[in-house]
Amino acid sequence: AQSVAQPEDQVKVAEGNPLTVKCTYSVSGNPYLFWYVQYPNRGLQFLLKYITGDNLVKGSYGFEAEFNKSQTSFHLKKPSALVSDSALYFCAVRDPFESGGYQKVTFGTGTKLQVIP
Amino acid sequence: DAGVIQSPRHEVTEMGQEVTLRCKPISGHNSLFWYRQTMMRGLELLIYFNNNVPIDDSGMPEDRFSAKMPNASFSTLKIQPSEPRDSAVYFCASSRETGTGSPLHFGNGTRLTVT
Repeated sequence: AQSVAQPEDQVKVAEGNPLTVKCTYSVSGNPYLFWYVQYPNRGLQFLLKYITGDNLVKGSYGFEAEFNKSQTSFHLKKPSALVSDSALYFCAVRDPFESGGYQKVTFGTGTKLQVIP
Repeated sequence: DAGVIQSPRHEVTEMGQEVTLRCKPISGHNSLFWYRQTMMRGLELLIYFNNNVPIDDSGMPEDRFSAKMPNASFSTLKIQPSEPRDSAVYFCASSRETGTGSPLHFGNGTRLTVT
């Protein structure tokens, strides 16, 4: 069964510093991996995804993520954090070979990012 | 693109009452998902539909919960009778079908409070 783990409930970083939000996954085949962001009183918004190809994926708002197959990780990164990046971040995984090919996405528990001015 | 539209945004009801949550997916999307979010349990998948057909309802907590998708542009999640432990934010999401790793598009949720 597919699963995803976000080992940190909260990450604090000073504005202007680089940030990393960690994610590890477990699937039987090659995964589809996603990052979403949730602002207060809003639904989740898609940031970026990895399907295949270049291990470094770039997404919205200057975020990027690096797929590492040997470490089964897909960490979210940004070179310079903004206060407005403060939000809840979710990693998600889909195993395209599971669930009969139908789309079943498993979300992590979320990491609260706090960017300090 | 109006996005996924959910109604109502907030619902406060008394224990034992019936609650109906509504969702309009993005036009052209053929997969629809209902999620529940709580502090204790995080984001839980309740049910998802593909081409209006329920594919996986294993996340539906109990028989008090039911979901329908009568057509491609509308879905409901019903709780009858409601209980205080059903209090949560309920999200609807839609996507184009699979194979390409299409992302989910979420609505802004319905915050349900059962007293």
